Amino acid sequence: EIVLTQSPASLSLSPGEKATLSCGASQSVSSGHLAWYQQKPGLAPRLLIYDTTNRATGTPDRFSGSGSGTDFTLTISRVEPEDFAMYYCQQYDFLPPFTFGQGTRLDIK
Amino acid sequence: QVHLVESGGGVVQPGRSLRVSCTTSGFTFSRYGMHWVRQAPGKGLEWVATIWYDGTNEDYADAVKGRFTISRDNFENTLYLQMNSLRVEDTAVYYCTRDLADYAPAGTFDYWGQGTLVTVSS
Repeated sequence: EIVLTQSPASLSLSPGEKATLSCGASQSVSSGHLAWYQQKPGLAPRLLIYDTTNRATGTPDRFSGSGSGTDFTLTISRVEPEDFAMYYCQQYDFLPPFTFGQGTRLDIK
Repeated sequence: QVHLVESGGGVVQPGRSLRVSCTTSGFTFSRYGMHWVRQAPGKGLEWVATIWYDGTNEDYADAVKGRFTISRDNFENTLYLQMNSLRVEDTAVYYCTRDLADYAPAGTFDYWGQGTLVTVSS
């Protein structure tokens, strides 16, 4: 099973700042099958990025994904007020189990 | 537009059974793999089970293998999760999710229902 570790656990930024969220894998996600989700309190998660770099339908272009192997990054170029939420990475490298990171909370500074 | 609506959650005693359902609309249900993902109160996300578009293959997390069964009715556009021998640690919001890819599931989740809360408590 691939274990994903997200860092930092929480991040406090002001609107307009750049956010960099990291996701490390215990073994290579060689397929690049890495996704990012956003979750706001009381709501279901929303798919933002899939296959490391592809934005899902409706994802603003200030969100971008990058990385390979065991190191992946979600970048928000300029954080908007509606971006303050929990973010999870998830791997789907060929076979189950599909695993999630423990999450990074993005808070308003 | 795609809609996934879960139902059937509630409070159940340890060791008992419960079936949750997910009614779907807005897409060709029989073309997509489907999944259940759960979230314990205040915790992160955990994949639970997957079923292929035609119901021929299923996969389960080790934590639920042998106790939970995922199934689907492609005529009624409905997904199910039968949960037996429930444990306190199964307490969570259970989300029905659609796979991003059609036919063989890729393992990522592009549409989510609002979730249904299952509480296992004596």
